Amino acid sequence: EIVMTRSAATLSVSPGERATLSCRASQSVSSNLAWYQQKPGQAPRLLIYGASTRATGIPARFSGSGSGTEFTLTISSLQSEDFAVYFCQQYSNWPLTFGQGTKVEIK
Amino acid sequence: EVQLVQSGAGVKKPGESLQIFCQTSGYAFAGHWIGWVRQMPGKGLEWMGIIYPGDSDTRYSPSFQGQVTISADRSISTAYLQWSSLKASDTAMYYCVRSFSGYSFDYWGQGTPVTVSS
Repeated sequence: EIVMTRSAATLSVSPGERATLSCRASQSVSSNLAWYQQKPGQAPRLLIYGASTRATGIPARFSGSGSGTEFTLTISSLQSEDFAVYFCQQYSNWPLTFGQGTKVEIK
Repeated sequence: EVQLVQSGAGVKKPGESLQIFCQTSGYAFAGHWIGWVRQMPGKGLEWMGIIYPGDSDTRYSPSFQGQVTISADRSISTAYLQWSSLKASDTAMYYCVRSFSGYSFDYWGQGTPVTVSS
């Protein structure tokens, strides 16, 4: 099973600042990596797939990068609606696996 | 418009059986894998399994193999998640998800909370 490890459980960021979230895979997943955003009481929402492709309707301030085992989600200028929990997911190998999630909170 | 609408909350006792459903619309049901994701209270996301309605090919996470059954009915574009004997540890929110571009998930149901308590 591929283990997805987040770099931080919580990231404290001021509105308007850049947030950088990282996710590491225990073995290569190529570019088969997705990022999701989850707000309290809501279902997760797909942000990025293929490591770097924004899903439909996702603002350009969200960007993804990386391949192999190291991946990054960058939010260029945090808006109030971006404070949430973010999960990475690999879909290179069965079983599909998620990272534990990083909470982006207001500093 | 793609929609995944899940059944309502389930409240059961340990040892009881339960089936929850995910009714889909707005796309070709047979042509997309559809899966289930568990989220225990205050915790992260866990992929449980997935089915391809076109040929009923089904894959399970080892953590859930033998614990649940995933099925689909193409005639009504609905996927199911079933337990034969619930445990208290099955208390969680369950989301159905549609696969997209490999096995990322572009559409999520609203979630079905399941509570198992004596």
